[in-house]
Amino acid sequence: GDSVTQMEGPVTLSEEAFLTINCTYTATGYPSLFWYVQYPGEGLQLLLKATKADDKGSNKGFEATYRKETTSFHLEKGSVQVSDSAVYFCALSDRDGGSQGNLIFGKGTKLSVKP
Amino acid sequence: EAQVTQNPRYLITVTGKKLTVTCSQNMNHEYMSWYRQDPGLGLRQIYYSMNVEVTDKGDVPEGYKVSRKEKRNFPLILESPSPNQTSLYFCASSLYGGAVDTQYFGPGTRLTVL
Repeated sequence: GDSVTQMEGPVTLSEEAFLTINCTYTATGYPSLFWYVQYPGEGLQLLLKATKADDKGSNKGFEATYRKETTSFHLEKGSVQVSDSAVYFCALSDRDGGSQGNLIFGKGTKLSVKP
Repeated sequence: EAQVTQNPRYLITVTGKKLTVTCSQNMNHEYMSWYRQDPGLGLRQIYYSMNVEVTDKGDVPEGYKVSRKEKRNFPLILESPSPNQTSLYFCASSLYGGAVDTQYFGPGTRLTVL
């Protein structure tokens, strides 16, 4: 079945450091890919998404590129801030599934940014 | 304001005492879903609904029931809660449930079953 694997956390960085969170996927069809972010005590919210190969999603300085050849969707940010401290989830939804809208999540990566 | 609301936000109960967690969205979305979040496991889907009166099982449906009598509401029912259902629960909705749709999440309900 479909699955998402993302790097284990926690990840601790200093402010202004470069961030990469790796995400790879397995899908039987042609998925859409998402990054969701969960700030402390809150629900998840969409950070960015990409719906076809080579698409780049971007938002709030974060970027991720849909790489079909390596089945990856790594999240990057050039300079993190303390306010970026959160849990980040990579997810996919598969067009070929019985219900296309169902999200399959990775286990999440907790990011802590120190001043 | 467009949002997904859940109630209650926190609940402590005892084994076997039936409970309902409500979920409501004001965005006229057709698709709604319930997830549970557990440490080290991420989010797992419990049930989903593509439209009114249409519900289907997700990955971990055992011990849960849902109903979709109205478009805006999608309650999660635990008929006889057990301690292994202690978890953080999220309701979500999207416009049509398509593969490219963004899902909007509620704030979560933290349930403890003693």
